[in-house]
Amino acid sequence: GNSVTQMEGPVTLSEEAFLTINCTYTATGYPSLFWYVQYPGEGLQLLLKATKADDKGSNKGFEATYRKETTSFHLEKGSVQVSDSAVYFCALIPSKTSYDKVIFGPGTSLSVIP
Amino acid sequence: SQTIHQWPATLVQPVGSPLSLECTVEGTSNPNLYWYRQAAGRGLQLLFYSVGIGQISSEVPQNLSASRPQDRQFILSSKKLLLSDSGFYLCAWSVEWGETQYFGPGTRLLVL
Repeated sequence: GNSVTQMEGPVTLSEEAFLTINCTYTATGYPSLFWYVQYPGEGLQLLLKATKADDKGSNKGFEATYRKETTSFHLEKGSVQVSDSAVYFCALIPSKTSYDKVIFGPGTSLSVIP
Repeated sequence: SQTIHQWPATLVQPVGSPLSLECTVEGTSNPNLYWYRQAAGRGLQLLFYSVGIGQISSEVPQNLSASRPQDRQFILSSKKLLLSDSGFYLCAWSVEWGETQYFGPGTRLLVL
């Protein structure tokens, strides 16, 4: 079946540190991959996405590359800020034609301290 | 541009009382609509989805129901709330099945 695995954290980093949040998936077919961010008390916001192998999604200094060979979509940022403190969700849509539901990972809580 | 609204933002209700949460989308036509619940912790559970007016699919049998009376309006209801209904309820929309989902700001429900 389809699934998403991500490190649950919490992850605590100092400001300007390098961030990596690992995400791996299992899926049949050719899924689209997403990272969402949820700030405290708010809904989920789309952070970035990639729809095919080797695509790189990027936004607000965050990047993730769709690696089909390792079935991974790790989120990275070179220098985190306090304002990046949030919960990050990795997600996949299995296929447009399969009518499968979106699969969300459990979320990774990130705290950035000054 | 498209926007999605949810209200109320916060709700405190006694056990056994009814519930109505509303979600509306602007700037698009015939969207797919979704209701999720996020219990304490962080995981998301898909409750209902709709691909058109009057069409509702339920993912998990429970104390809740959904309706779509208009193209861009999605309502989550209950006749009698349970303590276990407490949580953060998120509405989302997409252009069509398999496309990116965009989320509303959420409604925090506390059942006492």
